[in-house]
Amino acid sequence: GAVVSQHPSWVICKSGTSVKIECRSLDFQATTMFWYRQFPKQSLMLMATSNEGSKATYEQGVEKDKFLINHASLTLSTLTVTSAHPEDSSFYICSARMSGANVLTFGAGSRLTVL
Amino acid sequence: GNSVTQMEGPVTLSEEAFLTINCTYTATGYPSLFWYVQYPGEGLQLLLKATKADDKGSNKGFEATYRKETTSFHLEKGSVQVSDSAVYFCARDSGGGADGLTFGKGTHLIIQP
Repeated sequence: GAVVSQHPSWVICKSGTSVKIECRSLDFQATTMFWYRQFPKQSLMLMATSNEGSKATYEQGVEKDKFLINHASLTLSTLTVTSAHPEDSSFYICSARMSGANVLTFGAGSRLTVL
Repeated sequence: GNSVTQMEGPVTLSEEAFLTINCTYTATGYPSLFWYVQYPGEGLQLLLKATKADDKGSNKGFEATYRKETTSFHLEKGSVQVSDSAVYFCARDSGGGADGLTFGKGTHLIIQP
């Protein structure tokens, strides 16, 4: 079946540094990937839609310069949290839509802790 | 806009009890509806889905029927097991097939032996 891998699973960084999270579709091509943020005991909030070869579409209230998204190939999208602060600590989850399909496959998530 | 409302948790049941988790959605467009499950420490997994009115999604003993007249997609299971303990998310898409999903807040289900 379709598998989406996220890396790293856990990351701890110092305030002010930047962190990159990768989302890979392992056995299918994904023209569209989505990035979500999940706060403890809360729902997933869509942050942005990432389309291969074009700029990401951000949801209202999400800072483009803060959360940089790059979808350089059909199997890889990256989310970079720039100049991270403790309030950016969260669980970040990506999902990928197989080209031509209407089912999303989710990654296992990446937990970011900013000290 | 699109939204999904599901019952607040946690829901605590004994093993073999009947489960219902309510979910309603805003009646905009012609969405597909989904239930996702998140086990502790893991990502979301698609549990079942329905793409049009009166469709019934089913998987692993769970069922949900797309009710357009009540804008609902309640999740049911006749006899729950301890291994069903997880967080369950109801979700909808925009109906266009190209957008991200809108999720409910999630319902934490705890099954006691």
